[in-house]
Amino acid sequence: EVQLVQSGAEVRKPGESLKISCQGSGYYFPNSWIAWVRQMPGKGLEWMGIIYPDDSDARYSPSFEGQVTISADKSINTAYLQWSSLKASDTAMYFCARRVQAGYGSELFDPWGQGTLVIVSS
Amino acid sequence: EIVMTQSPATLSVSPGESATLSCRASHSIGSNLAWYQQRPGQAPRVLIYGASTRATGIPARFSGSGSGTEFTLSISSLQSEDFAIYYCQHYNHWPTWTFGQGTKVEIK
Repeated sequence: EVQLVQSGAEVRKPGESLKISCQGSGYYFPNSWIAWVRQMPGKGLEWMGIIYPDDSDARYSPSFEGQVTISADKSINTAYLQWSSLKASDTAMYFCARRVQAGYGSELFDPWGQGTLVIVSS
Repeated sequence: EIVMTQSPATLSVSPGESATLSCRASHSIGSNLAWYQQRPGQAPRVLIYGASTRATGIPARFSGSGSGTEFTLSISSLQSEDFAIYYCQHYNHWPTWTFGQGTKVEIK
């Protein structure tokens, strides 16, 4: 079974750093892009960025460029999303998802991790 | 930047009835569109990709259509587990993936 398992919920203070993880299993992890998606409380889905674990090529949405860093360690089938200085507005659920290229230009995000809740509060 | 607009924001439907959800792209995206379902407290899951191809394990009561700028997700004979939020997503412009704001399907 193809699966992405994310790290657990985190509570941090503004200004603190944080790194959350997403571990893949059931497929060859290095060869599939992993995307990160933010969902603020009661809001919709926002694509943040994506990484190719084999060479750590990372691309970012302009809205998140410079705000977060996406990395990966293919030796342990894990992708990461990190902040150097959290803000209260970073409070959200964060999902990772595997990008699947289905042929003829079609693609999909499948599967998704279960989500990591990040709460930033003083 | 391509903007995805979903309508309506909320759709009230009785169990057993059908539902039609719309998604409009600000520029043509061909068939580069996917639909996702998010049940309360759960991660999203893919229903449709390539505008009309059902993902593995998705029941036949879900169908997608459209191309260019106008897309539709149809759900026939709604079951209790179908009451959820549905998002469309385009992937026409590497490396950008944009979601619509979502349509909530609620019990009437």
